[in-house]
Amino acid sequence: DAKTTQPPSMDCAEGRAANLPCNHSTISGNEYVYWYRQIHSQGPQYIIHGLKNNETNEMASLIITEDRKSSTLILPHATLRDTAVYYCIVRPTSGTYKYIFGTGTRLKVLA
Amino acid sequence: GAVVSQHPSRVICKSGTSVKIECRSLDFQATTMFWYRQFPKKSLMLMATSNEGSKATYEQGVEKDKFLINHASLTLSTLTVTSAHPEDSSFYICSTDRRREGLNEQFFGPGTRLTVL
Repeated sequence: DAKTTQPPSMDCAEGRAANLPCNHSTISGNEYVYWYRQIHSQGPQYIIHGLKNNETNEMASLIITEDRKSSTLILPHATLRDTAVYYCIVRPTSGTYKYIFGTGTRLKVLA
Repeated sequence: GAVVSQHPSRVICKSGTSVKIECRSLDFQATTMFWYRQFPKKSLMLMATSNEGSKATYEQGVEKDKFLINHASLTLSTLTVTSAHPEDSSFYICSTDRRREGLNEQFFGPGTRLTVL
């Protein structure tokens, strides 16, 4: 079973921030939170990852709660091209690891 | 640039034929690759873990004789769908772990869309 839960769908207006939550209440101390997204008919694409500190890159920001049981992916200025399914995954810091995908959140950015 | 490639990107075949899908790691050696299947509007479902030089490990409910996996080199894993039927029509995606900046990260191929008539 997937170790994360996410809302099945969200809408966001173009130009506004999209905030995508993820619950990972059973996360272990040695596990990172990774976010991927899948645009229709493509393979998943890496977005960002974090352990306990908030992270930001050119694509998004990741906010992890202090207890690490949940996180939020933030797309600061959503565009139509951000319409995709977003997956949150937890994985150990080392070693090969097989991903078990949850349902993800289907984000629809509206014009 | 792309880290993992798949070939073909899409294939249409007749029922009863076998189809081979290739997954290649580019610029690095992949001792382990993963194969996923995805039906329309569904999440990715892990089918098997492909290990270079040894037998693949299949997830529960996945028929090993139906989905043959060969990982003969450190850059190539193949998935063969044998005696394909319309219910095997799906989007097949491979991935591999790669160590980057001190962390393991999984990279996914672009996927192969299989349509069985």
